[in-house]
Amino acid sequence: ELKVEQNPLFLSMQEGKNYTIYCNYSTTSDRLYWYRQDPGKSLESLFVLLSNGAVKQEGRLMASLDTKARLSTLHITAAVHDLSATYFCAVVTTGNQFYFGTGTSLTVIP
Amino acid sequence: EAGVVQSPRYKIIEKKQPVAFWCNPISGHNTLYWYLQNLGQGPELLIRYENEEAVDDSQLPKDRFSAERLKGVDSTLKIQPAELGDSAVYLCASSSDSAYNEQFFGPGTRLTVL
Repeated sequence: ELKVEQNPLFLSMQEGKNYTIYCNYSTTSDRLYWYRQDPGKSLESLFVLLSNGAVKQEGRLMASLDTKARLSTLHITAAVHDLSATYFCAVVTTGNQFYFGTGTSLTVIP
Repeated sequence: EAGVVQSPRYKIIEKKQPVAFWCNPISGHNTLYWYLQNLGQGPELLIRYENEEAVDDSQLPKDRFSAERLKGVDSTLKIQPAELGDSAVYLCASSSDSAYNEQFFGPGTRLTVL
């Protein structure tokens, strides 16, 4: 069974600081998604990464994918309070099966 | 464009009672997913439909859970009878036949079983 692990599970960081969330998975994958979920809300798609070496950036968030290492990262630059949320990676295997990570709960402190 | 619609948003029932959730996917999306999300965890797939056909229901507890997607559009997920451990958020998502098969999620139904 495919395992998708994220770390850290909880992250408290000060505004203006940089940090990286890691997503490791245990088998080959067609593509990888990053989602954001605010408390009590549904999941919002942030990025889709389609190939080895793919890098996507939107505002203060940048995602990358290393399929050989089976690793994706979500880098946060100069964090602001609005980025406080839970972030999930989701790995997609052949047959279009989605497997979600455990989630990283991010709190940005003023 | 309207997003994925789910109802009800919240449901509180007593154990052993039945409950049903409804989902209306984005227009034109032929793939529909039902997920279970427990507190502090990622979504876990219950069932996936391609049009009317359930193509992956391996994680659906068939002794008490059932789902249908008549006419390949709306879908309902039913639990009968509900147990305390079924308390969770039930998410519906849909995707099209694009290259990315990106999933779009509904707001979810938060079920509390007392």
